[in-house]
Amino acid sequence: TQLLEQSPQFLSIQEGENLTVYCNSSSVFSSLQWYRQEPGEGPVLLVTVVTGGEVKKLKRLTFQFGDARKDSSLHITAAQPGDTGLYLCAGEPGTYKYIFGTGTRLKVLA
Amino acid sequence: SAVISQKPSRDICQRGTSLTIQCQVDSQVTMMFWYRQQPGQSLTLIATANQGSEATYESGFVIDKFPISRPNLTFSTLTVSNMSPEDSSIYLCSVASGGGGTDTQYFGPGTRLTVL
Repeated sequence: TQLLEQSPQFLSIQEGENLTVYCNSSSVFSSLQWYRQEPGEGPVLLVTVVTGGEVKKLKRLTFQFGDARKDSSLHITAAQPGDTGLYLCAGEPGTYKYIFGTGTRLKVLA
Repeated sequence: SAVISQKPSRDICQRGTSLTIQCQVDSQVTMMFWYRQQPGQSLTLIATANQGSEATYESGFVIDKFPISRPNLTFSTLTVSNMSPEDSSIYLCSVASGGGGTDTQYFGPGTRLTVL
């Protein structure tokens, strides 16, 4: 069974702090995606990483795909209350099926 | 991008009844997916629904409990049958575009189901 473990599970920080969320697996994925989900809505795609070692930046968010394509990280710089939400990684093992991580619930306090 | 709508957005149902959730996409897509998200949890794939073929169910999910229809390339339904309180969840449909490891997946807003 392919599993994607995210850490931490919960995170509550003050506005302006930095944070990193990790997504780890023992399986190799052809691509990995990060989503943010807000209450009452479906997940919204933030980024897709495809190449091992790839780094992508989206404003204050930096995403990295591990060299072996088994893990990924999301780093947020100077977090803002608008970053609050459930962050989900999802790996595609090449079968068009997406395996979702366990989720990280982030709360940024003003 | 794809815009997805779901009906109903939420419902409260009695134990033993069934509910059919509709998913409508604004463009033709080959692959549609149905997920379940239990309170405070991540997403679990129920099944993949391709037009013109039977749905493919993931381990732990069966057609008798979650029958799926996919009559055309823009529409699908998921029925939650003989419901119990354990079926209380958010049910999400999604579609994938692209391919070869660069898929983008779009989600509907979800259907929040509460079973009493």
